[in-house]
Amino acid sequence: NAGVTQTPKFQVLKTGQSMTLQCAQDMNHNSMYWYRQDPGMGLRLIYYSASEGTTDKGEVPNGYNVSRLNKREFSLRLESAAPSQTSVYFCASTRPGSYNEQFFGPGTRLTVL
Amino acid sequence: GEDVEQSLFLSVREGDSSVINCTYTDSSSTYLYWYKQEPGAGLQLLTYIFSNMDMKQDQRLTVLLNKKDKHLSLRIADTQTGDSAIYFCAESMRETGANNLFFGTGTRLTVIP
Repeated sequence: NAGVTQTPKFQVLKTGQSMTLQCAQDMNHNSMYWYRQDPGMGLRLIYYSASEGTTDKGEVPNGYNVSRLNKREFSLRLESAAPSQTSVYFCASTRPGSYNEQFFGPGTRLTVL
Repeated sequence: GEDVEQSLFLSVREGDSSVINCTYTDSSSTYLYWYKQEPGAGLQLLTYIFSNMDMKQDQRLTVLLNKKDKHLSLRIADTQTGDSAIYFCAESMRETGANNLFFGTGTRLTVIP
């Protein structure tokens, strides 16, 4: 199993450009998440998908959209990138179980100039 | 939103014990977690504790939970250089169908040889 994979690993954008961050998991997990990590602020939830076909806003959804393409894939789209979106983005998924461990991808480091 | 607080930095000498502290706000959290993030990587679950427990021990790790004070701590015995990382505490959020977690700011542990 590859676990949770993310592409790309690094990306530099100019203000106003758009891009999609890809995430896939091969663990048959129902729930998937997108977080951003900023220094001194921990991880903040952008969007989540409790199950295939559903998506909901997290703590910081403004400027982002998501698509739960199927059970495996959950993408994050920046329609018009801003410097404030410079961050490290992590995708995660949860297996149903007794303690709901979240499994994380390796992250995408995004810089918006 | 919820506020999960941690101190940002901790330095210890190799072989000493490390204690990382966390305060959380949601008394209804079912589980509390400690995640470890090594440089350039995603987060990995280190350990967790169910909210009706006071203590959990797992090899070199001891988790203490004080529900009255909403205080969680992680003790690492015989700290090694490989323990240098950022440690996040997280609490579960029960109001959604997905197991959303709320993360603290992270504590960067530096182990001095």
